[in-house]
Amino acid sequence: EAGVTQFPSHSVIEKGQTVTLRCDPISGHDNLYWYRRVMGKEIKFLLHFVKESKQDESGMPNNRFLAERTGGTYSTLKVQPAELEDSGVYFCASSPHTREGPFTVSYEQYFGPGTRLTVT
Amino acid sequence: LAKTTQPISMDSYEGQEVNITCSHNNIATNDYITWYQQFPSQGPRFIIQGYKTKVTNEVASLFIPADRKSSTLSLPRVSLSDTAVYYCLVGGYNQGGKLIFGQGTELSVKP
Repeated sequence: EAGVTQFPSHSVIEKGQTVTLRCDPISGHDNLYWYRRVMGKEIKFLLHFVKESKQDESGMPNNRFLAERTGGTYSTLKVQPAELEDSGVYFCASSPHTREGPFTVSYEQYFGPGTRLTVT
Repeated sequence: LAKTTQPISMDSYEGQEVNITCSHNNIATNDYITWYQQFPSQGPRFIIQGYKTKVTNEVASLFIPADRKSSTLSLPRVSLSDTAVYYCLVGGYNQGGKLIFGQGTELSVKP
């Protein structure tokens, strides 16, 4: 079974430019998550898709970030315009489980290798 | 959301058993305890999840006391390849499944 893949693995752009990150989840996984770690900080949640719908985007830092998941398959995360503080590693994760209720939730998510974004 | 506290780093030698303890004093009734492992240049990888008492799988054991205010991840007979960062996470179903990462414990296994 193929794992979660992310493209590109590394991107270097200048401040003010636009970058689009792509995530291909494991086939059949309804849940797709984006996380990121900026330098020296902890991994932070950005948003959660259930199929093509945004379930939770409370972690999105500002309106320069736009995530989409057309058709409920792959997802893109666009940063426009990029700022220096956007540098970091962006992780995508997927899981097959949906929220079921107390005592039946699995927190097993399958992470991709990440995209390292450097904004200069 | 329950906050977790774990040691920043630990050292061990090959063949030893390693126990990493995590404190989560404010854990809620419906919170689960989950541990992830992360190697350099890779995404985190799920290791084990539990609610109470003891859970064991092919990779590790998770010990959770009755009050659930802490948990201990036990790695039997570690090898050099177990050198990684280990994260303790606590969360409930009302989070929608999102993971809240702390700083993790950087485990270094020496020969």
